[in-house]
Amino acid sequence: SQQGEEDPQALSIQEGENATMNCSYKTSINNLQWYRQNSGRGLVHLILIRSNEREKHSGRLRVTLDTSKKSSSLLITASRAADTASYFCATEIIQGAQKLVFGQGTRLTINP
Amino acid sequence: DAGVTQSPTHLIKTRGQHVTLRCSPISGHKSVSWYQQVLGQGPQFIFQYYEKEERGRGNFPDRFSARQFPNYSSELNVNALLLGDSALYLCASSLAGGHQPQHFGDGTRLSIL
Repeated sequence: SQQGEEDPQALSIQEGENATMNCSYKTSINNLQWYRQNSGRGLVHLILIRSNEREKHSGRLRVTLDTSKKSSSLLITASRAADTASYFCATEIIQGAQKLVFGQGTRLTINP
Repeated sequence: DAGVTQSPTHLIKTRGQHVTLRCSPISGHKSVSWYQQVLGQGPQFIFQYYEKEERGRGNFPDRFSARQFPNYSSELNVNALLLGDSALYLCASSLAGGHQPQHFGDGTRLSIL
């Protein structure tokens, strides 16, 4: 079963605008990770935020984590056409195995 | 350096057949995980192997099995294929320990007719 819920399911914006995607989860986590997937391809790791961190930056990406609300957000600033992809949040849970539990993703379209 | 490689890229099978999917991790990565991604959904965890031992499995039937070899490559086997097994099967490798990103291959697209 999916742990996370992403919101919105789809987002379409103009190039240069900022894109914000949200993720909620249900159980205690080790960390939360964001991945990008281009159509028909594998997932590319974007950023990892540990459960004791509140905010993290990487280039044009900014991730926040609120463990009290069990939620995270991914902000992409100054979007580009190449950012068009599906974005997934994944919570890392250690239960014997070290597994990622993914949400259903947000489909982001950047219009030129 | 080569990333995670998976073979084959595409596969078409019929119901009842079995299939073997292969994965080579990034050099130095001893952990390999398998995920199933049905169209329109996020990946679902199937197995993790570390140092050739199964560390855990997700909510999948016994028709799904896997193994890891001494060189850390891995195979995923699925027996008695069902239409619902049609999906993208993703392999991911990572370094040992927590807080490590997983590196995914491009997957094997399995279609069951």
